[in-house]
Amino acid sequence: EAQVTQNPRYLITVTGKKLTVTCSQNMNHEYMSWYRQDPGLGLRQIYYSMNVEVTDKGDVPEGYKVSRKEKRNFPLILESPSPNQTSLYFCASRLRTGEANTGELFFGEGSRLTVL
Amino acid sequence: AQSVTQLDSQVPVFEEAPVELRCNYSSSVSVYLFWYVQYPNQGLQLLLKYLSGSTLVKGINGFEAEFNKSQTSFHLRKPSVHISDTAEYFCAVMRSGGYQKVTFGIGTKLQVIP
Repeated sequence: EAQVTQNPRYLITVTGKKLTVTCSQNMNHEYMSWYRQDPGLGLRQIYYSMNVEVTDKGDVPEGYKVSRKEKRNFPLILESPSPNQTSLYFCASRLRTGEANTGELFFGEGSRLTVL
Repeated sequence: AQSVTQLDSQVPVFEEAPVELRCNYSSSVSVYLFWYVQYPNQGLQLLLKYLSGSTLVKGINGFEAEFNKSQTSFHLRKPSVHISDTAEYFCAVMRSGGYQKVTFGIGTKLQVIP
């Protein structure tokens, strides 16, 4: 089954304690992206990756890091979480080029993070 | 730069009544347009998309949307809603061709009242 898998789905942590949210897709998509969803603000892009070893900042990258060492994985790293990073996070992937690239994004089920 | 405006943050509607969720976009070039749906405690999934051709696009679960280039709108409609349509709906835009960034609206919560 084609899917994007995020872990953990729920996490409560404390300020300053490093954490990683993993994301994996099995559709051989080149493009992967992280979003955060906050009430009244919709989805905002944190980082994206157009292919292995190629990453770039989105609209709200401060406080986050990413890496793309393998095509299928795109972890989101919070080196020193703060309460303003309490949010619902989504990983998404899609094709990047070619006729089959219609821009459709495939989303994971989300990771709800609370930073105390 | 492109942007998306969803004019209503919440839309309550009675079961079996019609509904329209409004979306306007801004872009100086041709675009692809999308509607995504997010059911409670789930990720987003594609409802429908407009790439080119017919301006009336049909999607899953009886939804449809009409692309209006002159009014830069892509409103979502359903003639008769069900309780199961209660969800949040996001309009999104992407410049057409190759890789481009997808920009999302802030979402519209559809509440279907029994």
